[in-house]
Amino acid sequence: DQQVKQNSPSLSVQEGRISILNCDYTNSMFDYFLWYKKYPAEGPTFLISISSIKDKNEDGRFTVFLNKSAKHLSLHIVPSQPGDSAVYFCAASAMKYGGSQGNLIFGKGTKLSVKP
Amino acid sequence: GAGVSQSPRYKVAKRGQDVALRCDPISGHVSLFWYQQALGQGPEFLTYFQNEAQLDKSGLPSDRFFAERPEGSVSTLKIQRTQQEDSAVYLCASSSNGGAYSGETQYFGPGTRLLVL
Repeated sequence: DQQVKQNSPSLSVQEGRISILNCDYTNSMFDYFLWYKKYPAEGPTFLISISSIKDKNEDGRFTVFLNKSAKHLSLHIVPSQPGDSAVYFCAASAMKYGGSQGNLIFGKGTKLSVKP
Repeated sequence: GAGVSQSPRYKVAKRGQDVALRCDPISGHVSLFWYQQALGQGPEFLTYFQNEAQLDKSGLPSDRFFAERPEGSVSTLKIQRTQQEDSAVYLCASSSNGGAYSGETQYFGPGTRLLVL
């Protein structure tokens, strides 16, 4: 039973356009959400995060939106660049261990290809 | 270095062999996590340390898997009598522990790719 779902295994976008990656979750206890980017043969690299008390967080070309009522979050990349081509993982966690952040639950990832 | 490091980067083991995977977290990070990533999947949680204390080992798939962090910094994940289904990438992540507030980012190492033949 997947608690974090990324229903699109792949996405292809033209350079300069917007990339929108989606993620759904089922556990209402999740209070912190993150996006990681992964290149082949490397570990996941942190990209951007959002706390459940917010509905939007922006960092340069990257914006994450959180819709708690729909249990849905999305990552917007604009403008998309060829170097953004990678696998993007959505992850979520809940407070655990006496008040600290617990382990991350990951989706299966979406492979983004940005074409020049 | 500034980031999380892991060694070896690649390991080939014969079925039944024991392996040990090492993780050096970011200096000063209290929390350390181990994850297992199978091909085409997202990472899955194995175990968690807060300093030297192993607070959660609920994700370890069998008693052949053992992890330790004796001095609260470097951690070792040991797999005894490896099986083919243990083939995966093993990722280590660390985070600073800010206490009771939401939002502690975990930073990952490059992983160890284990292949059991």
